[in-house]
Amino acid sequence: SQKIEQNSEALNIQEGKTATLTCNYTNYSPAYLQWYRQDPGRGPVFLLLIRENEKEKRKERLKVTFDTTLKQSLFHITASQPADSATYLCALDDTGGFKTIFGAGTRLFVKA
Amino acid sequence: GAVVSQHPSRVICKSGTSVKIECRSLDFQATTMFWYRQFPKQSLMLMATSNEGSKATYEQGVEKDKFLINHASLTLSTLTVTSAHPEDSSFYICSAPPGGDSNEKLFFGSGTQLSVL
Repeated sequence: SQKIEQNSEALNIQEGKTATLTCNYTNYSPAYLQWYRQDPGRGPVFLLLIRENEKEKRKERLKVTFDTTLKQSLFHITASQPADSATYLCALDDTGGFKTIFGAGTRLFVKA
Repeated sequence: GAVVSQHPSRVICKSGTSVKIECRSLDFQATTMFWYRQFPKQSLMLMATSNEGSKATYEQGVEKDKFLINHASLTLSTLTVTSAHPEDSSFYICSAPPGGDSNEKLFFGSGTQLSVL
């Protein structure tokens, strides 16, 4: 069956450290993968998109990697700040379709 | 960036009533809009794809007669939950891709928390 898996347990880190979140998928062949941020009671906000032919993408303090062999994406936030505390969702395009399928997200807490 | 406005943000209704949720693209035309539902600590589940000027495409298991979708213009899509029941209580979110019907870089509304008593 098709699955997108993100750590269901919250990630707690100290301010200034690098947060690393994992997204694994099964039985999908996405042309690209996306990461979104969601705050409680709000809609997700787009952060980064990485295509299947790209190994790594950066945007300010954010870095995403995409390994199509391992079927895994890693999302890094460097020099983390308390304001980075949120739920981070990975999402990918459904095989052959115009649908975006989301993982359940990982809750990140950054302590001052 | 593109803005998607969703109203209302929160609604409480009695069982058996109907609730309409509006989703507007404010600074771009959205030929396609997506409606999602999210239960606490769960992923966004795609309910349907709304297409301007044509019928919506519903995901498997979503009752089209219960969740009525209308996409009457290039900037407005509505979702009506008919005869709502407590099990319909959830967070409903719309989204639109600013780049036509590709679903890259979706812009989301702020969501509607529906509570059915």
